[in-house]
Amino acid sequence: GAGVSQSPSNKVTEKGKDVELRCDPISGHTALYWYRQSLGQGLEFLIYFQGNSAPDKSGLPSDRFSAERTGGSVSTLTIQRTQQEDSAVYLCASSLARVAEDSNQPQHFGDGTRLSIL
Amino acid sequence: SQQGEEDPQALSIQEGENATMNCSYKTSINNLQWYRQNSGRGLVHLILIRSNEREKHSGRLRVTLDTSKKSSSLLITASRAADTASYFCATDAYDYKLSFGAGTTVTVRA
Repeated sequence: GAGVSQSPSNKVTEKGKDVELRCDPISGHTALYWYRQSLGQGLEFLIYFQGNSAPDKSGLPSDRFSAERTGGSVSTLTIQRTQQEDSAVYLCASSLARVAEDSNQPQHFGDGTRLSIL
Repeated sequence: SQQGEEDPQALSIQEGENATMNCSYKTSINNLQWYRQNSGRGLVHLILIRSNEREKHSGRLRVTLDTSKKSSSLLITASRAADTASYFCATDAYDYKLSFGAGTTVTVRA
Protein backbone atom coordinates (compact mmCIF):
# COMPACT_ATOMS: atom_id res chain seq x y z
CA GLY A 1 0.00 0.00 0.00
CA ALA A 2 0.92 3.65 -0.19
CA GLY A 3 1.02 4.36 3.54
CA VAL A 4 2.60 2.96 6.70
CA SER A 5 0.90 -0.27 7.65
CA GLN A 6 0.77 -1.64 11.19
CA SER A 7 -0.52 -4.94 12.48
CA PRO A 8 -2.41 -6.02 14.41
CA SER A 9 -4.67 -2.99 14.77
CA ASN A 10 -5.79 -4.24 18.18
CA LYS A 11 -4.18 -6.69 20.59
CA VAL A 12 -5.56 -7.86 23.91
CA THR A 13 -3.35 -10.13 25.98
CA GLU A 14 -2.82 -11.30 29.52
CA LYS A 15 -0.22 -9.82 31.79
CA GLY A 16 3.06 -11.70 31.50
CA LYS A 17 2.64 -12.72 27.87
CA ASP A 18 4.96 -11.58 25.10
CA VAL A 19 3.63 -9.51 22.19
CA GLU A 20 5.03 -8.65 18.80
CA LEU A 21 3.93 -5.59 16.86
CA ARG A 22 4.67 -5.13 13.18
CA CYS A 23 5.31 -2.06 11.05
CA ASP A 24 5.60 -1.95 7.28
CA PRO A 25 6.94 1.49 6.26
CA ILE A 26 6.43 3.40 3.05
CA SER A 27 8.57 1.94 0.29
CA GLY A 28 11.85 3.81 -0.01
CA HIS A 29 11.72 5.31 3.47
CA THR A 30 14.95 4.38 5.21
CA ALA A 31 14.13 6.02 8.54
CA LEU A 32 11.64 4.29 10.85
CA TYR A 33 10.40 5.35 14.27
CA TRP A 34 8.37 3.76 17.05
CA TYR A 35 6.34 5.87 19.47
CA ARG A 36 3.95 5.09 22.29
CA GLN A 37 0.81 7.09 23.02
CA SER A 38 -0.99 6.67 26.32
CA LEU A 39 -4.63 7.70 26.64
CA GLY A 40 -5.06 11.44 26.10
CA GLN A 41 -1.32 12.03 25.92
CA GLY A 42 1.19 13.05 23.32
CA LEU A 43 3.63 10.66 21.75
CA GLU A 44 6.58 9.18 23.62
CA PHE A 45 9.59 8.31 21.45
CA LEU A 46 10.79 4.72 21.74
CA ILE A 47 13.36 3.93 19.05
CA TYR A 48 14.68 5.11 15.70
CA PHE A 49 16.08 3.02 12.84
CA GLN A 50 18.20 4.22 9.96
CA GLY A 51 18.21 1.27 7.58
CA ASN A 52 18.61 -1.83 9.76
CA SER A 53 20.58 -0.17 12.53
CA ALA A 54 19.13 1.58 15.56
CA PRO A 55 21.35 4.55 16.46
CA ASP A 56 18.88 5.75 19.06
CA LYS A 57 17.26 3.31 21.49
CA SER A 58 17.08 5.89 24.24
CA GLY A 59 13.31 5.82 24.54
CA LEU A 60 12.83 2.12 25.24
CA PRO A 61 11.31 2.10 28.73
CA SER A 62 12.87 -1.13 29.95
CA ASP A 63 14.84 -4.19 28.83
CA ARG A 64 11.51 -5.94 28.23
CA PHE A 65 11.22 -3.84 25.07
CA SER A 66 13.22 -4.63 21.93
CA ALA A 67 12.91 -3.87 18.26
CA GLU A 68 14.50 -5.02 15.07
CA ARG A 69 14.35 -4.16 11.42
CA THR A 70 15.41 -6.47 8.63
CA GLY A 71 16.03 -5.77 4.98
CA GLY A 72 15.69 -2.06 5.63
CA SER A 73 11.94 -2.45 5.57
CA VAL A 74 9.63 -4.20 8.04
CA SER A 75 10.19 -3.62 11.74
CA THR A 76 8.92 -5.52 14.75
CA LEU A 77 8.59 -4.20 18.28
CA THR A 78 8.58 -6.94 20.91
CA ILE A 79 7.42 -6.52 24.48
CA GLN A 80 8.28 -9.41 26.78
CA ARG A 81 6.46 -10.26 29.99
CA THR A 82 3.89 -7.54 29.42
CA GLN A 83 2.68 -5.40 32.32
CA GLN A 84 -0.54 -3.42 32.62
CA GLU A 85 1.36 -0.15 32.27
CA ASP A 86 2.37 -1.27 28.76
CA SER A 87 -1.23 -0.68 27.65
CA ALA A 88 -1.14 2.09 25.04
CA VAL A 89 -1.29 2.75 21.33
CA TYR A 90 2.00 1.96 19.64
CA LEU A 91 2.58 4.10 16.56
CA CYS A 92 5.12 3.58 13.82
CA ALA A 93 6.31 6.28 11.44
CA SER A 94 8.67 6.39 8.50
CA SER A 95 10.43 9.12 6.60
CA LEU A 96 12.96 9.69 3.88
CA ALA A 97 16.55 9.69 5.01
CA ARG A 98 17.98 12.84 6.45
CA VAL A 99 20.88 13.81 4.21
CA ALA A 100 22.27 16.17 6.82
CA GLU A 101 21.71 16.82 10.48
CA ASP A 102 19.70 19.93 9.70
CA SER A 103 17.63 18.53 6.85
CA ASN A 104 13.88 18.50 7.19
CA GLN A 105 11.68 15.48 6.64
CA PRO A 106 8.12 15.00 7.87
CA GLN A 107 7.19 11.66 9.36
CA HIS A 108 4.37 9.53 8.01
CA PHE A 109 2.41 7.57 10.59
CA GLY A 110 0.50 4.32 10.58
CA ASP A 111 -2.79 3.99 12.42
CA GLY A 112 -1.13 2.22 15.32
CA THR A 113 -1.64 -0.93 17.35
CA ARG A 114 -3.91 -0.53 20.37
CA LEU A 115 -2.44 -2.82 23.03
CA SER A 116 -4.48 -3.77 26.08
CA ILE A 117 -2.95 -5.81 28.88
CA LEU A 118 -5.46 -7.52 31.13
CA SER B 1 10.00 13.80 28.24
CA GLN B 2 7.75 16.06 26.21
CA GLN B 3 9.32 19.25 24.98
CA GLY B 4 6.28 20.89 23.43
CA GLU B 5 3.27 22.09 25.36
CA GLU B 6 0.08 23.04 23.57
CA ASP B 7 -2.40 25.58 24.78
CA PRO B 8 -5.35 25.32 25.17
CA GLN B 9 -5.85 21.66 25.97
CA ALA B 10 -9.31 21.79 24.39
CA LEU B 11 -11.14 24.18 22.10
CA SER B 12 -14.76 24.21 20.95
CA ILE B 13 -15.82 26.50 18.12
CA GLN B 14 -18.67 27.02 15.68
CA GLU B 15 -18.27 25.98 12.07
CA GLY B 16 -16.88 28.90 10.07
CA GLU B 17 -14.95 30.39 13.00
CA ASN B 18 -11.18 30.42 13.27
CA ALA B 19 -9.28 28.18 15.67
CA THR B 20 -5.96 29.18 17.17
CA MET B 21 -3.69 26.99 19.26
CA ASN B 22 -0.24 27.62 20.64
CA CYS B 23 2.84 25.56 21.30
CA SER B 24 5.79 26.35 23.53
CA TYR B 25 9.04 24.44 23.64
CA LYS B 26 12.25 24.48 25.63
CA THR B 27 15.35 23.84 23.53
CA SER B 28 16.88 25.04 20.27
CA ILE B 29 15.18 23.45 17.28
CA ASN B 30 15.85 22.59 13.64
CA ASN B 31 12.18 22.75 12.72
CA LEU B 32 8.73 22.55 14.23
CA GLN B 33 5.93 20.47 12.78
CA TRP B 34 2.17 20.31 13.30
CA TYR B 35 0.22 17.08 13.05
CA ARG B 36 -3.48 16.21 13.19
CA GLN B 37 -4.90 13.04 14.71
CA ASN B 38 -8.46 11.91 14.18
CA SER B 39 -9.91 9.60 16.80
CA GLY B 40 -8.44 6.11 16.57
CA ARG B 41 -6.12 7.00 13.73
CA GLY B 42 -2.47 7.81 13.26
CA LEU B 43 -1.04 11.28 12.92
CA VAL B 44 -1.21 13.20 9.68
CA HIS B 45 1.51 15.72 8.91
CA LEU B 46 0.07 19.20 8.31
CA ILE B 47 2.93 21.64 8.00
CA LEU B 48 6.64 22.02 8.76
CA ILE B 49 8.27 25.34 9.57
CA ARG B 50 12.03 25.69 9.63
CA SER B 51 13.82 27.53 12.43
CA ASN B 52 14.76 30.36 10.06
CA GLU B 53 11.15 30.87 8.93
CA ARG B 54 8.64 33.06 10.73
CA GLU B 55 5.37 32.24 8.99
CA LYS B 56 4.04 29.60 6.66
CA HIS B 57 0.71 29.00 4.97
CA SER B 58 -0.92 25.88 3.61
CA GLY B 59 -4.51 26.16 2.45
CA ARG B 60 -6.58 27.22 5.50
CA LEU B 61 -3.62 26.72 7.83
CA ARG B 62 -1.28 29.43 9.02
CA VAL B 63 1.69 28.68 11.24
CA THR B 64 3.95 31.18 12.95
CA LEU B 65 7.23 30.57 14.72
CA ASP B 66 8.96 32.85 17.21
CA THR B 67 12.30 31.30 18.12
CA SER B 68 13.11 34.11 20.55
CA LYS B 69 10.04 33.15 22.60
CA LYS B 70 10.30 29.45 21.74
CA SER B 71 6.70 29.39 20.64
CA SER B 72 4.55 28.61 17.63
CA SER B 73 0.91 29.04 16.75
CA LEU B 74 -1.41 27.20 14.39
CA LEU B 75 -4.41 29.03 12.97
CA ILE B 76 -7.17 27.16 11.16
CA THR B 77 -9.40 29.59 9.28
CA ALA B 78 -13.07 29.04 8.34
CA SER B 79 -13.24 25.81 10.32
CA ARG B 80 -15.28 22.83 9.17
CA ALA B 81 -16.74 19.85 11.03
CA ALA B 82 -14.01 17.72 9.43
CA ASP B 83 -11.39 19.76 11.30
CA THR B 84 -12.54 18.13 14.54
CA ALA B 85 -9.41 16.32 15.75
CA SER B 86 -6.45 16.58 18.10
CA TYR B 87 -3.58 18.76 16.97
CA PHE B 88 0.00 18.20 18.06
CA CYS B 89 3.12 20.26 17.70
CA ALA B 90 6.40 18.38 17.42
CA THR B 91 9.92 19.73 17.57
CA ASP B 92 12.95 18.45 15.73
CA ALA B 93 15.97 19.32 17.82
CA TYR B 94 18.63 18.02 15.40
CA ASP B 95 18.47 14.55 16.96
CA TYR B 96 16.23 12.74 14.46
CA LYS B 97 13.35 12.03 16.79
CA LEU B 98 10.37 14.32 17.22
CA SER B 99 9.28 15.52 20.66
CA PHE B 100 5.52 15.91 20.89
CA GLY B 101 3.30 17.92 23.16
CA ALA B 102 0.11 16.55 24.72
CA GLY B 103 -2.05 18.11 22.02
CA THR B 104 -5.05 20.40 21.65
CA THR B 105 -8.43 18.77 21.11
CA VAL B 106 -10.52 20.83 18.70
CA THR B 107 -14.27 20.34 18.34
CA VAL B 108 -16.05 22.14 15.52
CA ARG B 109 -19.80 22.40 16.08
CA ALA B 110 -22.09 22.39 13.06
